[in-house]
Amino acid sequence: SQTIHQWPATLVQPVGSPLSLECTVEGTSNPNLYWYRQAAGRGLQLLFYSIGIDQISSEVPQNLSASRPQDRQFILSSKKLLLSDSGFYLCAWTWPTSGAHTDTQYFGPGTRLTVL
Amino acid sequence: QQQVKQSPQSLIVQKGGISIINCAYENTAFDYFPWYQQFPGKGPALLIAIRPDVSEKKEGRFTISFNKSAKQFSLHIMDSQPGDSATYFCAASMRSGGYQKVTFGTGTKLQVIP
Repeated sequence: SQTIHQWPATLVQPVGSPLSLECTVEGTSNPNLYWYRQAAGRGLQLLFYSIGIDQISSEVPQNLSASRPQDRQFILSSKKLLLSDSGFYLCAWTWPTSGAHTDTQYFGPGTRLTVL
Repeated sequence: QQQVKQSPQSLIVQKGGISIINCAYENTAFDYFPWYQQFPGKGPALLIAIRPDVSEKKEGRFTISFNKSAKQFSLHIMDSQPGDSATYFCAASMRSGGYQKVTFGTGTKLQVIP
């Protein structure tokens, strides 16, 4: 079976500090990977998606960047955090679209980031 | 055209009642419509999903009704229980450029009172 991990679970960082959130998926190969941000009481905003190693696409311009150094590892980073970066960050995976699998997105447990 | 409109924003239902959440979409290229359930502090989890060639799908107490011509779909929770209290998101998805492009509704916070 497939599992998705995120860490840390919670993070409190000062404004201007760097950020690194990690997501790993087990039990599948060549997944599509996604980073979402969820503001309090709001929906999910897609930040980045990746269809393969070093293949990253950004949905919205912002203070964040993403990298995929390994097939099942997805990292969200920032060089200098802003107050507006606070939120609940969710990683998700799907099967590659080339296959006959379901199109369901499977979400990780999330990271609660507070920037002070 | 990429929006998915979800209503109501919040819903209070008595235990044993029926909870109904509605969604509408614009883009007819969407071909997969999942519903997610999210508890506080947790990631969303797939609840039930439907493709547009089916008008209804039922799994236990959860039913999706789909109206392709009206571009609307809804989630019905029968015999609602306090444990169903959560935020529910509808979504519409299509394959685009090698990935699943998913558009989420804004969520409905459901509270089931005893």
